[in-house]
Amino acid sequence: AQKITQTQPGMFVQEKEAVTLDCTYDTSDPSYGLFWYKQPSSGEMIFLIYQGSYDQQNATEGRYSLNFQKARKSANLVISASQLGDSAMYFCAMRDDMDNYGQNFVFGPGTRLSVLP
Amino acid sequence: EPEVTQTPSHQVTQMGQEVILRCVPISNHLYFYWYRQILGQKVEFLVSFYNNEISEKSEIFDDQFSVERPDGSNFTLKIRSTKLEDSAMYFCASSESGTGGGGTGELFFGEGSRLTVL
Repeated sequence: AQKITQTQPGMFVQEKEAVTLDCTYDTSDPSYGLFWYKQPSSGEMIFLIYQGSYDQQNATEGRYSLNFQKARKSANLVISASQLGDSAMYFCAMRDDMDNYGQNFVFGPGTRLSVLP
Repeated sequence: EPEVTQTPSHQVTQMGQEVILRCVPISNHLYFYWYRQILGQKVEFLVSFYNNEISEKSEIFDDQFSVERPDGSNFTLKIRSTKLEDSAMYFCASSESGTGGGGTGELFFGEGSRLTVL
């Protein structure tokens, strides 16, 4: 069974500083995808970044980067130069690519990030 | 930009009533999902749908729940006899493909339907 762990229920960061949100996952499948989503207080789910299990390089999208350590089964999100608008709930998710009859996305419990001015 | 749309945005119902939540996924997507989130907490998987049938469902998705894709565009979640604990935000999501499509296959979420059961 797939499982996503986010050990930080809440994090604080000073504006303009970098912050790392932890995510570890558990799967026995060799092919999978890892995702981070942001959920601001307005409630929508916003896709941030993706890492495939076979990708050799860590994914980057603007101020977001994913620190992918496959052997440790971790996929931490790094946000550089934090902005007040980054205050939100952040969810790590994994997609199982081995299922020929569909796909399953599993979400972690989330980390609430608060950016301080 | 194509988007997933959900209706209603908010529904209030009495316990024991039936509720239908509607979703229009992105047109070229193949995989459809329902998730629920109670009070901004964990995003819980309910069901996934592919090739006109349920591909996977969670323990939450018991006999009171059903999904349908009646006309090739809508994707509905029906809750037959609502309970107080069904109060939550229900998200519909769709994705194109996980592999072989060249994309990331990320989930595209609708804005959610907030269900309040009294």
